[in-house]
Amino acid sequence: GEDVEQSLFLSVREGDSSVINCTYTDSSSTYLYWYKQEPGAGLQLLTYIFSNMDMKQDQRLTVLLNKKDKHLSLRIADTQTGDSAIYFCAESIDTNAGKSTFGDGTTLTVKP
Amino acid sequence: DAMVIQNPRYQVTQFGKPVTLSCSQTLNHNVMYWYQQKSSQAPKLLFHYYDKDFNNEADTPDNFQSRRPNTSFCFLDIRSPGLGDAAMYLCATSSTGRTEAFFGQGTRLTVV
Repeated sequence: GEDVEQSLFLSVREGDSSVINCTYTDSSSTYLYWYKQEPGAGLQLLTYIFSNMDMKQDQRLTVLLNKKDKHLSLRIADTQTGDSAIYFCAESIDTNAGKSTFGDGTTLTVKP
Repeated sequence: DAMVIQNPRYQVTQFGKPVTLSCSQTLNHNVMYWYQQKSSQAPKLLFHYYDKDFNNEADTPDNFQSRRPNTSFCFLDIRSPGLGDAAMYLCATSSTGRTEAFFGQGTRLTVV
């Protein structure tokens, strides 16, 4: 079945770059997503990448996809304390964007 | 403006007492989803509605039911809540062919 793995914790200093990694098993994944969840809140879609792309940049966010290794990463440049949250990687093989398999999330802590 | 609205934000129910969680959307999306997220875990898809068609995930317990009376509203019914059903319940919507899903703020359910 589908499986999405993430490291559980990441701690960085304010102003540094953060890199959150994710691996997935389903080679038929069509879309790969990054969501942000702040304490007690729902999920906020940050960015997504289509499986035929290898990079996508959106302001401070850069997504890299290595389809051969089934590895996805999210780089946050100039990380701020407001970026502290849980980041979920998710994959979908379905055109229904919400029908996704999620990783367990990476808790990002940004220290001043 | 809130686009996917979940009510209530916090719900306390007694063991075995039926409870209903509510979700509404102003996006006119044709697909609506319910996810269960237990503490420090990945959101897990329970079921989704594709228009009026109900799609249950294979491992969703029978204790969980859903209703979608119209495009805007979707309900999650838990017939006999157990202690293990305490979780955050997330509603999401998407539109066929679009790559984005939109999540509500979630309802945190406590079972006493």
